[in-house]
Amino acid sequence: GAGVSQTPSNKVTEKGKYVELRCDPISGHTALYWYRQSLGQGPEFLIYFQGTGAADDSGLPNDRFFAVRPEGSVSTLKIQRTERGDSAVYLCASSPQPGNSPLHFGNGTRLTVT
Amino acid sequence: DQQVKQNSPSLSVQEGRISILNCDYTNSMFDYFLWYKKYPAEGPTFLISISSIKDKNEDGRFTVFLNKSAKHLSLHIVPSQPGDSAVYFCAAGDNFNKFYFGSGTKLNVKP
Repeated sequence: GAGVSQTPSNKVTEKGKYVELRCDPISGHTALYWYRQSLGQGPEFLIYFQGTGAADDSGLPNDRFFAVRPEGSVSTLKIQRTERGDSAVYLCASSPQPGNSPLHFGNGTRLTVT
Repeated sequence: DQQVKQNSPSLSVQEGRISILNCDYTNSMFDYFLWYKKYPAEGPTFLISISSIKDKNEDGRFTVFLNKSAKHLSLHIVPSQPGDSAVYFCAAGDNFNKFYFGSGTKLNVKP
């Protein structure tokens, strides 16, 4: 079956530009997560959706970062006024339910801010 | 402040021998623990999990051990195979589904 799909796989943008990263979770999975992974580090939590609502956005680093999931399926992570420090791999994951169940990750979007 | 730590950035093991990867955590509220495997340019792939009500979970060649009093878990792979060469991440979470990841251990299994 189809796994978590993330597009684009790579994105290069100039400092100060706006970017959108898309995540299409596994069909039927109600919980969706965004993580960010920098070189040599483990994934770092950004935000978690249960259905359409953001249940926990405590990991978003500042107000330049925003994420939506308007219909409870596809999610978009939006970054305004990008900075070089935003360069990382952005990972999306989904799970069938909240609580103690494993996350299924996509292959990520590698964002490079020049 | 890192709540989940993997203190060994790399591990090299001979094919057929046991690989032991270690992980420590600080938050006693964590009640669910997972191990992920990651190949370059791919997302992490779920390997095995354990709930805090157990101290061992086994799946084929992979066994996870949990020592709650020491806040320590380990992943045993036996026998190790060259295809197991990858970066392994441990993760821990509480009932609210926010998982914290370690920084990973790169395992190299030599033929």
